[in-house]
Amino acid sequence: SQKIEQNSEALNIQEGKTATLTCNYTNYSPAYLQWYRQDPGRGPVFLLLIRENEKEKRKERLKVTFDTTLKQSLFHITASQPADSATYLCALVTGNQFYFGTGTSLTVIP
Amino acid sequence: SQTIHQWPATLVQPVGSPLSLECTVEGTSNPNLYWYRQAAGRGLQLLFYSVGIGQISSEVPQNLSASRPQDRQFILSSKKLLLSDSGFYLCAWSRIRLPRDILPYNEQFFGPGTRLTVL
Repeated sequence: SQKIEQNSEALNIQEGKTATLTCNYTNYSPAYLQWYRQDPGRGPVFLLLIRENEKEKRKERLKVTFDTTLKQSLFHITASQPADSATYLCALVTGNQFYFGTGTSLTVIP
Repeated sequence: SQTIHQWPATLVQPVGSPLSLECTVEGTSNPNLYWYRQAAGRGLQLLFYSVGIGQISSEVPQNLSASRPQDRQFILSSKKLLLSDSGFYLCAWSRIRLPRDILPYNEQFFGPGTRLTVL
């Protein structure tokens, strides 16, 4: 089965800087990969996805890269804001099954 | 628009007691349905998923079970709770991806979750 690893350490960055979160996986490459945001006590909310044949995807201040050779996805938040503070989860999708990483806690310091 | 409901929001149960958590989806038909558990400081663990009424797939062996009596209803149950069953339970739905789909339009939509504490 898939093993998905995200930054185990919490990430603290200064407001205005770029946050970079990592998602690594083992075994076979998924059809595509998704990123979600989760606030405390709430369910995750979908942010964006990237397909296996795409290198990069952007949505406003968010950017995702997908390297199937390295089996890694990077998630960037540019011009970070305190409101971006949350836990970010990556999910690998194959068919109708979703496999989530453990998440990385991000705190943006004003 | 689609909405997903879960109840109860919080639950405190003694060890050995039964469990029933309910999830319903509105505004869509024939969704894929999922149950996840999130333990403190850990990621989402997929427990069950269903692609149709009466069709349940289990990802991990456990003392939990799931049922889908109706198209948009998904129930998580246990006959006897263990301490290790404590956690945050999330129900989610996604659209079934059809072979003719060009775009992988099946992001997951999560419910508000149930915080279960087993004492």
